[in-house]
Amino acid sequence: DAKTTQPNSMESNEEEPVHLPCNHSTISGTDYIHWYRQLPSQGPEYVIHGLTSNVNNRMASLAIAEDRKSSTLILHRATLRDAAVYYCILRSILFQGGKLIFGQGTELSVKP
Amino acid sequence: EAGVAQSPRYKIIEKRQSVAFWCNPISGHATLYWYQQILGQGPKLLIQFQNNGVVDDSQLPKDRFSAERLKGVDSTLKIQPAKLEDSAVYLCASSEWTSGDTGELFFGEGSRLTVL
Repeated sequence: DAKTTQPNSMESNEEEPVHLPCNHSTISGTDYIHWYRQLPSQGPEYVIHGLTSNVNNRMASLAIAEDRKSSTLILHRATLRDAAVYYCILRSILFQGGKLIFGQGTELSVKP
Repeated sequence: EAGVAQSPRYKIIEKRQSVAFWCNPISGHATLYWYQQILGQGPKLLIQFQNNGVVDDSQLPKDRFSAERLKGVDSTLKIQPAKLEDSAVYLCASSEWTSGDTGELFFGEGSRLTVL
């Protein structure tokens, strides 16, 4: 399974944008980039995913580098509720059901 | 739409005892996963089912862990006998079957196991 590298922790101020980086230099052409987050005492929840083009949804934006070796999850206005561990995961479309392999993730804290 | 249901939420047992966790996935979801999350770490995949067949159980410690998914719906994860290092949160997730891309995983709240 291709590996991702994320900072262990990041801090942000409430109502400011947050950019969470992820490096995946060994990504293959059949790997999608997925982001999940885990709020305290809850199971992970899906945030966003993409293949090559930048993606937007109601929760966040995903910016993917042209060579696909890195990506950035963007929270446009952080709220206290966004404090969580964010996981960047490569998911192959070649594997049955596309298993999700989690790394350590980035723990995001949001200051009021 | 009801989410993934898990029980019990909390369980405390002594080492060498047995324990079972139950998961009811979202209706219609063909794929079911069990993850183990040790405090401070990311979730680790234990086993993946497609309907009632096992797709991947390479990380399941088969000498003490077992899992089944009868009739392709509910699933049970059992640990017997438990060890101290089994203390963790056991997460169940489900997704629709997809041959390619996405297949967003929906997770339950987890079952927290403490082994004394």
